[in-house]
Amino acid sequence: NAGVTQTPKFQVLKTGQSMTLQCAQDMNHNSMYWYRQDPGMGLRLIYYSASEGTTDKGEVPNGYNVSRLNKREFSLRLESAAPSQTSVYFCAIRTELNYGYTFGSGTRLTVV
Amino acid sequence: GENVEQHPSTLSVQEGDSAVIKCTYSDSASNYFPWYKQELGKRPQLIIDIRSNVGEKKDQRIAVTLNKTAKHFSLHITETQPEDSAVYFCAASKGDYKLSFGAGTTVTVRA
Repeated sequence: NAGVTQTPKFQVLKTGQSMTLQCAQDMNHNSMYWYRQDPGMGLRLIYYSASEGTTDKGEVPNGYNVSRLNKREFSLRLESAAPSQTSVYFCAIRTELNYGYTFGSGTRLTVV
Repeated sequence: GENVEQHPSTLSVQEGDSAVIKCTYSDSASNYFPWYKQELGKRPQLIIDIRSNVGEKKDQRIAVTLNKTAKHFSLHITETQPEDSAVYFCAASKGDYKLSFGAGTTVTVRA
């Protein structure tokens, strides 16, 4: 699944610190998504972008911001990290061919 | 928004037996139902999907069934093998393509 690249793979933050998770695709698809995965809760949508320049809130947007400056990249920013944001974050793209998502490899974030 | 419930949360089966995972959804407008498999430490990967105009779909040892009236869909894995051990997620979406996921089922295939 080389089409979606996430960086970094691991990160430890202190409470109150900020950071940006990066996601880039090389497949030229319009729709991109950010999910978080927590044990026993499945994957929950944080933000999504239906096309370049547009973003919309998902199920759990509080504490996050996103940016879709071009078709390739969709970044997720934590302005002031909290322990509740400890999670695994997945970026995904929607392949219009079959509507399925292709996920990136994930970012494991720990906030202490 | 859409609410997807998935059962059971864990499932242990003997190698060669069948495994069934069931999901229900709340929004009757949902029309796309994919299933994802996630191995430990890896990303979720699409294994099969079904749309609301189809009642059943098969791909080798896996199949998905959909009952629109009852708003539930199921994943069936036959002749289970050790490599089927993973977490499986169901999901649902409407035309906006925002997927709502179930909480996941951890499947363990015993040798």
